[in-house]
Formats: sequence, structure tokens, C-alpha cells
Amino acid sequence: EDQVTQSPEALRLQEGESSSLNCSYTVSGLRGLFWYRQDPGKGPEFLFTLYSAGEEKEKERLKATLTKKESFLHITAPKPEDSATYLCAVLANQAGTALIFGKGTTLSVSS
Amino acid sequence: GAVVSQHPSWVICKSGTSVKIECRSLDFQATTMFWYRQFPKQSLMLMATSNEGSKATYEQGVEKDKFLINHASLTLSTLTVTSAHPEDSSFYICSASGQSSYNSPLHFGNGTRLTVT
Repeated sequence: EDQVTQSPEALRLQEGESSSLNCSYTVSGLRGLFWYRQDPGKGPEFLFTLYSAGEEKEKERLKATLTKKESFLHITAPKPEDSATYLCAVLANQAGTALIFGKGTTLSVSS
Repeated sequence: GAVVSQHPSWVICKSGTSVKIECRSLDFQATTMFWYRQFPKQSLMLMATSNEGSKATYEQGVEKDKFLINHASLTLSTLTVTSAHPEDSSFYICSASGQSSYNSPLHFGNGTRLTVT
């Protein structure tokens, strides 16, 4: 069964304190791994797609990496506006299938 | 970038009534639309997948007669919660995928907060 597990469930950081969020997955043929940001009461906002092991993507203070079993979202020198829930999702290698989401990591950054 | 619009953003209804939620793709043709439900502090759970012009495919445990999905055009899908009950109160989110988006991110609407009293 395809599964996505994110850790930790919640993370509190001081402004400027770098850290990483983990997403481990098992899927029958990975078409893509997605990272989204979700603010309270909003839909997920796309951040990155990773397709193959070894791939890395960067956007401002965020960097996503991918191995054959897991992905990391590294947050460098976070700011309070980075506070949100970060969702990881996988897309299996079958046309027309939906994303399978993890439960997310809720990040709180205090100044 | 691609935009998905969802309406209404929130709705309160009385138990036993029906509520319709619309999901529109604004700048691309959505061949496939997905409906998710999210309970507080939980992940998005897929309810159903709909392809334009055909019947929706429902996930196990989702009542198709209660959650009616219509995908009548390449830019519009609707979810109707029939005879709503308080346990149907949740955050409903749609996402859309276009013909050329085999590996592209699925775009999400901003969700609809349904409260059944």
C-alpha cells in the first residue's frame, strides 16, 4: 500500500534557526514527490516537485532533496512568515491517480 | 501559473439540507479533478476522482449517493453534499490536473469550510 509519513508532526524554531523536515514514502513506482505549503483555512500552495533520487530544488530559504526512500525539506534561517503546515505528497506511476498526502509538519517560527 | 477557484469559501447549513461546492480551473482545461476532505490537524483524504464527461470514481468508504460529483466541462466540477449531517462538517478541497500535466503539480483550490448545524 502506498504510504507517506512525515516527521516531526510539529516543529518550533527561533528565527534564524535552520532545520529539516522529513518525508518518508513507500509507493509502487514514483512519478513525482511534491511539497506544498498550507496556511490555516487555505488550500495547499505548490512549492516543489522532485522526480528522481539525487534531485534537489531550491526556492528562497527552502531546499528540497530526494532519495529513494525519503525527501527532506531544509529550511535555512527561517522567518516568522515561514510558519505554516508543510505537506509532502507522492504521485504513483499510474496515469490519472491522485496525490497521496502525508499528515504534514506544522512549523512555527518565533522572532 | 495555473489557478483553481473554489466557491464558496465557507458555508453553514442546517442538517438535512444539501450544499453545492464549485471548483473551476481558470486558465487551463482540467481533464481530471480530485475532491479531498480534510479534518482538523489531519491530512488531505481523497474522496473521489472525476474525469470530464464520465462518472466519478469514489474512494472506499465514501458514499457516492451522498457526495454527488459532476464534471460537466473541462473547467468546472461540482460536489454536492446531500442531506448534510453535522459529521459532514469539514474542509473540502478540490484540485485539478490538465492534459499536459502528467508530471506537473496538481493545482488546488482554496477550500470550502462546511459547517452543518
